[in-house]
Amino acid sequence: EAEVAQSPRYKITEKSQAVAFWCDPISGHATLYWYRQILGQGPELLVQFQDESVVDDSQLPKDRFSAERLKGVDSTLKIQPAELGDSAMYLCASSPGLAAETQYFGPGTRLLVL
Amino acid sequence: GQSLEQPSEVTAVEGAIVQINCTYQTSGFYGLSWYQQHDGGAPTFLSYNGLDGLEETGRFSSFLSRSDSYGYLLLQELQMKDSASYFCAPGPAGNNRKLIWGLGTSLAVNP
Repeated sequence: EAEVAQSPRYKITEKSQAVAFWCDPISGHATLYWYRQILGQGPELLVQFQDESVVDDSQLPKDRFSAERLKGVDSTLKIQPAELGDSAMYLCASSPGLAAETQYFGPGTRLLVL
Repeated sequence: GQSLEQPSEVTAVEGAIVQINCTYQTSGFYGLSWYQQHDGGAPTFLSYNGLDGLEETGRFSSFLSRSDSYGYLLLQELQMKDSASYFCAPGPAGNNRKLIWGLGTSLAVNP
């Protein structure tokens, strides 16, 4: 069964350092989402791609966060510099076409900023 | 504006039936999705209602009333493994059709 892959699974870093997360969606899925989830809360959409284009990054803190999906397949989310408040689970999801109702999530990257 | 309400916690016993209600207000609406998330895990898709009525998938059923901006998830024959957080996620209309996520409902199934 096809799955969304993410790496690393866990990341510990010090504040002011740069971190990067990688996501490989299910093959053929045009839409890719990056979410941030703080413990006890629901996922918060950071950025949504349709193929290689950003369709929504309204909640992405653009002064420190960046995301790319250069060839419309895998994607990288970067934080530079990391802050203590960035400690959270970073989830990647994909869906076929524009159908957002069924999203397939990867295992996530748990980030701890010290 | 947009709003989403579901109970924060629900407790039930094995074998019982539990209903998790969801009311929403969105700028446009196309459907209601339900996701399950175990502690430490990622959300997994459970069900989607694009039309009014009941959708059944095994032990889980989901209902939608568009006129009442209301839906629910019904879990039958509860098992310990059903202990998890459950999110209703309405999808507003719009070009990107993104889901709205709330705080979810934490379900505890006791023996």
